Amino acid sequence: DTEVTQTPKHLVMGMTNKKSLKCEQHMGHRAMYWYKQKAKKPPELMFVYSYEKLSINESVPSRFSPECPNSSLLNLHLHALQPEDSALYLCASSQDSSGQGKTGELFFGEGSRLTVL
Amino acid sequence: RKEVEQDPGPFNVPEGATVAFNCTYSNSASQSFFWYRQDCRKEPKLLMSVYSSGNEDGRFTAQLNRASQYISLLIRDSKLSDSATYLCVVSDYKLSFGAGTTVTVRA
Repeated sequence: DTEVTQTPKHLVMGMTNKKSLKCEQHMGHRAMYWYKQKAKKPPELMFVYSYEKLSINESVPSRFSPECPNSSLLNLHLHALQPEDSALYLCASSQDSSGQGKTGELFFGEGSRLTVL
Repeated sequence: RKEVEQDPGPFNVPEGATVAFNCTYSNSASQSFFWYRQDCRKEPKLLMSVYSSGNEDGRFTAQLNRASQYISLLIRDSKLSDSATYLCVVSDYKLSFGAGTTVTVRA
């Protein structure tokens, strides 16, 4: 079982809806990440939080808004999404506080599968 | 040119066979290299790091060739449970994922 928990596992939303994805880890990791993955494609980095501060935003559209309430929690707020935003959204954490896991060990959650109608 | 490129496969092999595949990377300043495994509709999980001298973990052997900028993964005595997509990951200041190589082991 993964030690990074994501909810919900599945989400269907309309283009005018506002929803949030949630991620939680209790491994004491100080870096947390959001990735987006489309079918048969690699995970694409969206955001990195290091010590609860946003350290990397990979030019993600503002309809995606990350939030890190504390060191264990990471949210992704969704608003006015487009059908092309449908994907698997993966949360990950790493011990490395540099924010990009130089050790390479990212611990991924099982993902939230998002469908935008 | 993509930062990390992999042969997508699929590699279809019988149980017990050996399968090997490579991954090339474009940034010569890359410092760290990894193989992740992703099962269908599951999250990626670290399989092994790749060291300059090459390293083994059971039936898995990883090699790094810095001069030619590629890493390789070899799986010996394939098991049905090895069926998965193997993601090559390269790090300079951030991790870059390859699109993955799909391996299917048949009985």
